[in-house]
Amino acid sequence: GESVGLHLPTLSVQEGDNSIINCAYSNSASDYFIWYKQESGKGPQFIIDIRSNMDKRQGQRVTVLLNKTVKHLSLQIAATQPGDSAVYFCAESRNYKLSFGAGTTVTVRA
Amino acid sequence: ETGVTQSPTHLIKTRGQQVTLRCSSQSGHNTVSWYQQALGQGPQFIFQYYREEENGRGNFPPRFSGLQFPNYSSELNVNALELDDSALYLCASIESGTNPSEQYFGPGTRLTVT
Repeated sequence: GESVGLHLPTLSVQEGDNSIINCAYSNSASDYFIWYKQESGKGPQFIIDIRSNMDKRQGQRVTVLLNKTVKHLSLQIAATQPGDSAVYFCAESRNYKLSFGAGTTVTVRA
Repeated sequence: ETGVTQSPTHLIKTRGQQVTLRCSSQSGHNTVSWYQQALGQGPQFIFQYYREEENGRGNFPPRFSGLQFPNYSSELNVNALELDDSALYLCASIESGTNPSEQYFGPGTRLTVT
């Protein structure tokens, strides 16, 4: 079945440092693996995705890595800023359906 | 912002009642999905509509139903409310012909069932 989970429920990061958020998945049939960010009182916001046939993709200050051998997905945020404080969800996409994990709460310390 | 709006923002209902939640998405976004997000958890897929037809359903009972209208608005209806239906309900739209991963979520409706 489908299962997307995160390794740690919380992550505290010093402002300016790099953040790494990890996720394990079990469904190898997904088309895309995705990261969403959810701030308090808002719906999830798309950050970046990666096709299942890729292993790395970079965006603005973010990099997503996909390791299909161990079914592991990670999100790296460079130079973490206070505005990066939020809950981060990994998700998988198949036929337009998103399956989300439980989320990691990232807190940025000044 | 995403251009997706939901109403109402908050709602309190009694067990056994029925509720209708509304979503309005952008022009050209002809796919809409509804999700249920319990406190402290990730969103769970309820169902999806494409061009006013149901196009996929998650593990939710038939008392969860929906409608999509030609003007890019949609509804989620829940009958015979149960206490466990208390959650944040999110709708998400997808622009036609674009990456299916990039879904535009509304701010949600917080439903409390007492």
